[in-house]
Amino acid sequence: GDSVTQMEGPVTLSEEAFLTINCTYTATGYPSLFWYVQYPGEGLQLLLKATKADDKGSNKGFEATYRKETTSFHLEKGSVQVSDSAVYFCALGGTSYGKLTFGQGTILTVHP
Amino acid sequence: DTEVTQTPKHLVMGMTNKKSLKCEQHMGHRAMYWYKQKAKKPPELMFVYSYEKLSINESVPSRFSPECPNSSLLNLHLHALQPEDSALYLCASSQGDMREKLFFGSGTQLSVL
Repeated sequence: GDSVTQMEGPVTLSEEAFLTINCTYTATGYPSLFWYVQYPGEGLQLLLKATKADDKGSNKGFEATYRKETTSFHLEKGSVQVSDSAVYFCALGGTSYGKLTFGQGTILTVHP
Repeated sequence: DTEVTQTPKHLVMGMTNKKSLKCEQHMGHRAMYWYKQKAKKPPELMFVYSYEKLSINESVPSRFSPECPNSSLLNLHLHALQPEDSALYLCASSQGDMREKLFFGSGTQLSVL
């Protein structure tokens, strides 16, 4: 079945540091890949997405590239801010109607 | 309007109570979802409605009963819940294409005493 593996957290960084959160997946077919972010006390918000191999999703300084050869969708940001502190979920969709497969989530804390 | 609105935001109920969670969207989305999320865990899919018909039930206990009165509304009726059902319940919607993104509401934080 489909699965998503995210790097273990939590991740703690200083402001303006470089961020990478690793995500790899296993899927049949041609899934879409997503990064969702969840701020404390809130629901999930879509951060970025990619629907086919070599697509790059980007938003708010975050980027991720859909790599079919390595089955990866790593999230990166060049300079994090305190306001980026949240839980980040990598997710896979499109192989089974209506169902997103989520990774376990990575807690990011950014200190001033 | 790109919002999914959930009410109430918080709910405390006893094991013998009956309550309902409500979800509303006005984006014209044809698919709506209920997810359950435990603290520090990813959301788990419970139900999917497509064009107002239940299309997926992820083997959810019958004490949870979904209802889709129309294309904009989704309810989750709760009865005889257990303390382990305490969680954040998230509603989501999408255009209906299974490759499209989901829009999530802020959730209802449910505590069962």
